[in-house]
Amino acid sequence: DTAVSQTPKYLVTQMGNDKSIKCEQNLGHDTMYWYKQDSKKFLKIMFSYNNKELIINETVPNRFSPKSPDKAHLNLHINSLELGDSAVYFCASSQEIGIQYFGPGTRLTVT
Amino acid sequence: GQSLEQPSEVTAVEGAIVQINCTYQTSGFYGLSWYQQHDGGAPTFLSYNALDGLEETGRFSSFLSRSDSYGYLLLQELQMKDSASYFCAVRNQGGKLIFGQGTELSVKP
Repeated sequence: DTAVSQTPKYLVTQMGNDKSIKCEQNLGHDTMYWYKQDSKKFLKIMFSYNNKELIINETVPNRFSPKSPDKAHLNLHINSLELGDSAVYFCASSQEIGIQYFGPGTRLTVT
Repeated sequence: GQSLEQPSEVTAVEGAIVQINCTYQTSGFYGLSWYQQHDGGAPTFLSYNALDGLEETGRFSSFLSRSDSYGYLLLQELQMKDSASYFCAVRNQGGKLIFGQGTELSVKP
């Protein structure tokens, strides 16, 4: 029933590890996004996909690689995790850019 | 450059009315959105204004003046559950939503 879902909800890992976050939406939207929210609550877009095609790629380290197997799924793989990657990562989807539906978030802690 | 300005904190009492302002500077403007986020939760869409004027949805209203690069969110009949962070966000010509730093609203009994 959930519109936008993400797994896992929490991720605790050590520096240097590789991890993935998965996102799925059942709203039939064409566009999906990854956002990073830091400890000061600043929400910044990282990537956007429209119908499986990458359309926005912000200045993000290339250790971050998104993948969209189909328009309902958008995953985020992070290589060689660093302390500064600790944040909450939100997936979102939309049919209209101004009206976005967010997943519950994945709280990533790198130790 | 692109920037959004909104107050960092606002405090009000239950039953009151509060207005959260947002001014913006952006390359190309297509609309202003508002999102609510409770502690530990996800941002939730509240409203989107593409045209000048007031949009009302229940206790919440949102206003936009494109000529002044200004908008606000008006919350009426405040309830304790309205305590949350409120973000304005601008849709720009790059097809992105650029978020403000958020306004933390505290509603006191």
